Amino acid sequence: GAVVSQHPSWVICKSGTSVKIECRSLDFQATTMFWYRQFPKQSLMLMATSNEGSKATYEQGVEKDKFLINHASLTLSTLTVTSAHPEDSSFYICSAREPGFSTDTQYFGPGTRLTVL
Amino acid sequence: SQQGEEDPQALSIQEGENATMNCSYKTSINNLQWYRQNSGRGLVHLILIRSNEREKHSGRLRVTLDTSKKSSSLLITASRAADTASYFCAIIIQGAQKLVFGQGTRLTINP
Repeated sequence: GAVVSQHPSWVICKSGTSVKIECRSLDFQATTMFWYRQFPKQSLMLMATSNEGSKATYEQGVEKDKFLINHASLTLSTLTVTSAHPEDSSFYICSAREPGFSTDTQYFGPGTRLTVL
Repeated sequence: SQQGEEDPQALSIQEGENATMNCSYKTSINNLQWYRQNSGRGLVHLILIRSNEREKHSGRLRVTLDTSKKSSSLLITASRAADTASYFCAIIIQGAQKLVFGQGTRLTINP
């Protein structure tokens, strides 16, 4: 199946700093990518849908000014957590689907563990 | 909530036994999917069952779907220690273009 990578796999930062997480589709072009957040022992919660060349669509309750999403190319979407605070510590996972396919099958990245001190 | 709800939340069985996990949902769906997540890792797609299907098999996995009861089950036969993971059901809500995940079942296979 298609491969999606994330970088970094883990990051520790100080409160107030910004952190950028990259999501790449390695062997296919993804017009749409999705960003999820997962707290320990909980499920994945969709944060936003990232569309190449246009603004992301954020889920209710997700601050778009805090979680900046850029999908500048067909193989790369980035999530920037601005002015991170300890409550932003979480596991962030992206997924991507190939153009021409429905949302039926998404390919997930390995996730990024963010710890804010 | 439109999310799938899973039970049990946690399941611990002996290697070789069968494991059954259930998922219920509240809305009309196009399909239902099951994913596996090893601790601290990404998700692996296991199987997709469409709303007009009742049962689907993939290796040691068997998934059923009852749209009248809005429920699905995942059966793992002849479990192995490597099956230890969290299992999530996810649905595509009709008219939407996004996956909505259930709360997950944490499965532990004891050797």
